[in-house]
Amino acid sequence: AQTVTQSQPEMSVQEAETVTLSCTYDTSESNYYLFWYKQPPSRQMILVIRQEAYKQQNATENRFSVNFQKAAKSFSLKISDSQLGDTAMYFCAFAYSGAGSYQLTFGKGTKLSVIP
Amino acid sequence: AAGVIQSPRHLIKEKRETATLKCYPIPRHDTVYWYQQGPGQDPQFLISFYEKMQSDKGSIPDRFSAQQFSDYHSELNMSSLELGDSALYFCASSLGPNKSSYEQYFGPGTRLTVT
Repeated sequence: AQTVTQSQPEMSVQEAETVTLSCTYDTSESNYYLFWYKQPPSRQMILVIRQEAYKQQNATENRFSVNFQKAAKSFSLKISDSQLGDTAMYFCAFAYSGAGSYQLTFGKGTKLSVIP
Repeated sequence: AAGVIQSPRHLIKEKRETATLKCYPIPRHDTVYWYQQGPGQDPQFLISFYEKMQSDKGSIPDRFSAQQFSDYHSELNMSSLELGDSALYFCASSLGPNKSSYEQYFGPGTRLTVT
């Protein structure tokens, strides 16, 4: 079974600063995908960034970047120039191609508050 | 761009009643996933469909059933509702295999309250 662990239940960051959210996972699969989803107070699930395990290069999407350490099974999210709109719950998620579908397994989430 | 549509957005039912949740995937997406998110919890996978066939099954109670129709929309039927079924139910859609199918796009969710 695959597991995803987010060890930081809550974090806060000053506006315009940088923050890093941690995520570790456990799997015996070799072909898998990792994601960060954002869930603001509206409860909408928004895909922030994705990483294919076979790619060594870390994914980047504007102010969001990841540090993917495959051997350590670590997948952290860095948010640069934090904005008030980044306030949300962030979920790390895992999917692999060996199951019948690409069902997502989520971590418990990290609640991020951006302070003005 | 078109997004995943879920209806209704809010639903209030009493214990032992039945509920039907609907999901309309993004156009050309042929794969649908259902997730349940309880209060303060992470989303849990329930079931998925690809090309109108069930492709995977997670922690879905036997009281729940789902299907995908010829137009690719999906319905989640929930019977004998219990208080513990109160949750946010998400539908997500993606392209099928061989088409970047690992990327899922979520609908706004249906908030079900069982009283």
